[in-house]
Amino acid sequence: IQMTQSPSSLSASVGDRVTITCQASQDIRNYLNWYQQKPGKAPKLLIFDASNLETGVPSRFSGSGSGTDFTFTISSLQPEDIATYYCQQYDNLPLFGQGTKLEIK
Amino acid sequence: QVQLVQSGAEVKKPGSSVKVSCKASGGTFSSYAISWVRQAPGQGLEWMGAIIPIFGTANYAQKFRGRVTITADESMTTAYMEVSSLRSDDTAVYYCARTSLEVRLPYYYYVMDVWGQGTTVTVSS
Repeated sequence: IQMTQSPSSLSASVGDRVTITCQASQDIRNYLNWYQQKPGKAPKLLIFDASNLETGVPSRFSGSGSGTDFTFTISSLQPEDIATYYCQQYDNLPLFGQGTKLEIK
Repeated sequence: QVQLVQSGAEVKKPGSSVKVSCKASGGTFSSYAISWVRQAPGQGLEWMGAIIPIFGTANYAQKFRGRVTITADESMTTAYMEVSSLRSDDTAVYYCARTSLEVRLPYYYYVMDVWGQGTTVTVSS
């Protein structure tokens, strides 16, 4: 399985709606997680099973999709959301996407 | 709440080995797996492998098979990841992560919900 995440980097303004996509090379059902990693920190789980929000994660984060195409959305970008975001499939041995670095414009 | 505490930074020569530990503080990981994920400088996350301590079985990403060994102690409070024949491109931060298990999945590995603080391994002559 290959995971293709896009874009690799993204610049947006506070309050913007931000969307990241992740495409699997084969059907992975809804077996997809999303993680956030801030500089110098360990990753943090945000979304599991493609669309379920981890406990304590703000509701401005959401995920959707199944099969091969998945989307991660931040409905209103906040300054603290500056980070790199990764998708990760678990239909086979775990595999991360290449990551999307999100910056403030 | 379980925390994972990793061993300290290492500097190694090419061709040598390194062993990184990951200790559960405040509990055990008896009903979980422990995954190891590495991140080279300026690069993305790379899943290396995992162990299910209660089964004593480990799985590895193809890239790391034969050069990486993941183990856990019998008390299921500490996991280890050893990389042999180190090269300069093994320079990275190595993370352990508690990984929940789901029987519906082919390899059971589900979400990585608790992470260690990371261990920097530098390989340099």
